[in-house]
Amino acid sequence: EAGVTQFPSHSVIEKGQTVTLRCDPISGHDNLYWYRRVMGKEIKFLLHFVKESKQDESGMPNNRFLAERTGGTYSTLKVQPAELEDSGVYFCASSHEWGTGELFFGEGSRLTVL
Amino acid sequence: AQSVAQPEDQVNVAEGNPLTVKCTYSVSGNPYLFWYVQYPNRGLQFLLKYITGDNLVKGSYGFEAEFNKSQTSFHLKKPSALVSDSALYFCAVRDIKTGRRALTFGSGTRLQVQP
Repeated sequence: EAGVTQFPSHSVIEKGQTVTLRCDPISGHDNLYWYRRVMGKEIKFLLHFVKESKQDESGMPNNRFLAERTGGTYSTLKVQPAELEDSGVYFCASSHEWGTGELFFGEGSRLTVL
Repeated sequence: AQSVAQPEDQVNVAEGNPLTVKCTYSVSGNPYLFWYVQYPNRGLQFLLKYITGDNLVKGSYGFEAEFNKSQTSFHLKKPSALVSDSALYFCAVRDIKTGRRALTFGSGTRLQVQP
């Protein structure tokens, strides 16, 4: 069974540019989550999809961040325009609809904004 | 609101010695508790979880954790550390009362096991 895959693994962009991160969850997982870890700090929740619907987007920092999950399969997270404080590692995770909720994580996309 | 505290940024232990990585949590209802490990340039891997029942739960790679409701703690333990256990460890909680499925994570503890 393929795990959660994320692309790109590392992106370096200039302030003001746009970046789109992609996540492919484990097949059959309806729940998809985006998290972010800024250097040395906690892994912070961004948002949660159930299939194609945004179940909880309370962690999205501002309207420069846009997440989509068209068709309930893969998801994208776009940052436009990027700011210096957006640098960090963006993790995607997925889980079954049933069960006790352990998440399966991708390897993360490291974003560096210069 | 739910929260997790990992009071130690780093834990150093000699190979063969027991290790403990501390975690305390705050929730309004009953918690589901999790430990994850991150090796360099890898994603987070699930280690173990507490849902209900026995307060001592066993997980992957010989790790175990003890749920203590009165102290709101869920410390990760291993009787004999290996150099290969060196990694970043994250504690996480889910508050069942809120119905929210997303996990709340701590800031992580780096475990360094010296040969």
